[in-house]
Amino acid sequence: DVQMTQSPYNLAASPGESVSINCKASKSISKYLAWYQQKPGKANKLLIYDGSTLQSGIPSRFSGSRSGTDFTLTISSLEPEDFGLYYCQQHNEYPYTFGAGTKLELK
Amino acid sequence: EVQILETGGGLVKPGGSLRLSCATSGFNFNDYFINWVRQAPGKGLEWVGQIRHRYYDHATYYAESLEGRVTITRDDSKSTVFLQVNNLRTEDTAIYYCTRNTYVFHFFDYWGQGVMVTVSS
Repeated sequence: DVQMTQSPYNLAASPGESVSINCKASKSISKYLAWYQQKPGKANKLLIYDGSTLQSGIPSRFSGSRSGTDFTLTISSLEPEDFGLYYCQQHNEYPYTFGAGTKLELK
Repeated sequence: EVQILETGGGLVKPGGSLRLSCATSGFNFNDYFINWVRQAPGKGLEWVGQIRHRYYDHATYYAESLEGRVTITRDDSKSTVFLQVNNLRTEDTAIYYCTRNTYVFHFFDYWGQGVMVTVSS
């Protein structure tokens, strides 16, 4: 199975700041990584797929990048609604696997 | 509007069985694979399994950790998918989510809100 190592586990930031969350795959997954946002009482939301493709309707302050097996989600100029949990998921092969999650909290 | 609704959760004793339903609407069900993903309390997301659509003979794929105890089926006439879990263990306690993807795209663009399953004596 592909292991996804996500970091940091916790992240505290203020509105207006930029933050980055990282995910490293244990082997090549090509570009096939997705990022999701999870908030209480709401369905999980797809933000980015194929490493850097922004899902329709997602604000452009969210961006994704890749360097080999290292992937980064960047949120520029944080808005209050961006605080929550973020997960990466490799969608290259079965079984699909997720990172452990990053909790983005208000500083 | 895409809608995905999971039902059937609740409290089950260890060793028991549970059947969850995932009712969908607002999209062409026959074009999509349906997955179950679970999340234990305070933990991350874990893919449980997938059922492909009829063009792939409803083929199923399961997480190795659950294989042998889990079965996913679908009723295309009702746009509904079912998850049967047998011989439940306390570690199966989780929110179970239903998601969709396609043959081309293996990420999950829509999720249900999930249903809680608690395994406890």
